[in-house]
Amino acid sequence: AQSVAQPEDQVNVAEGNPLTVKCTYSVSGNPYLFWYVQYPNRGLQFLLKYITGDNLVKGSYGFEAEFNKSQTSFHLKKPSALVSDSALYFCAVRGGTNAGKSTFGDGTTLTVKP
Amino acid sequence: DGGITQSPKYLFRKEGQNVTLSCEQNLNHDAMYWYRQDPGQGLRLIYYSQIVNDFQKGDIAEGYSVSREKKESFPLTVTSAQKNPTAFYLCASSITLVSTDTQYFGPGTRLTVL
Repeated sequence: AQSVAQPEDQVNVAEGNPLTVKCTYSVSGNPYLFWYVQYPNRGLQFLLKYITGDNLVKGSYGFEAEFNKSQTSFHLKKPSALVSDSALYFCAVRGGTNAGKSTFGDGTTLTVKP
Repeated sequence: DGGITQSPKYLFRKEGQNVTLSCEQNLNHDAMYWYRQDPGQGLRLIYYSQIVNDFQKGDIAEGYSVSREKKESFPLTVTSAQKNPTAFYLCASSITLVSTDTQYFGPGTRLTVL
């Protein structure tokens, strides 16, 4: 079975500071990892994904994520947070024996204060 | 949210009623999915479809039904057998069911049982 853990329910950062939203995963076989963002009462928006290759993946809105196979982690990062980045962030994994099925973390609420 | 529409945005259901949530996509994607989102929880897969006239149960299919008669449409019926249907429902699609394909989400339907 595959699983995703987002250990922090809430992350608070000041505008202009770097942010990190953590994600760890468990899957048999190659992991395919995704980050999504959700604004209130909206659907999920795709930010970035790791399939293979460079461990540092760049995505939308200045976000990036670092894949670490030994630590089974895929943390989302941004060098300088904006107030508009405040939202709910989900990490997801696809692959392993559940071909095509995604498993999502419980989400992390990011609050960026001015 | 582009390319995937869900209607209605808000839906109220009385006890014992069946209701149908609409999901349409113009992305020419083969695979479509229905997820349920509850506060503080990640997304849970209800049903998914790899191709027209084919669909599979997800992790929480009891009390729900779907059809896939057209490539662009994947309606979800919440039946009276679903004991706790109040939730936010998200439809998604991807090019195929392959694990490396990105899922794109609609704006969601919020269902409330009165």
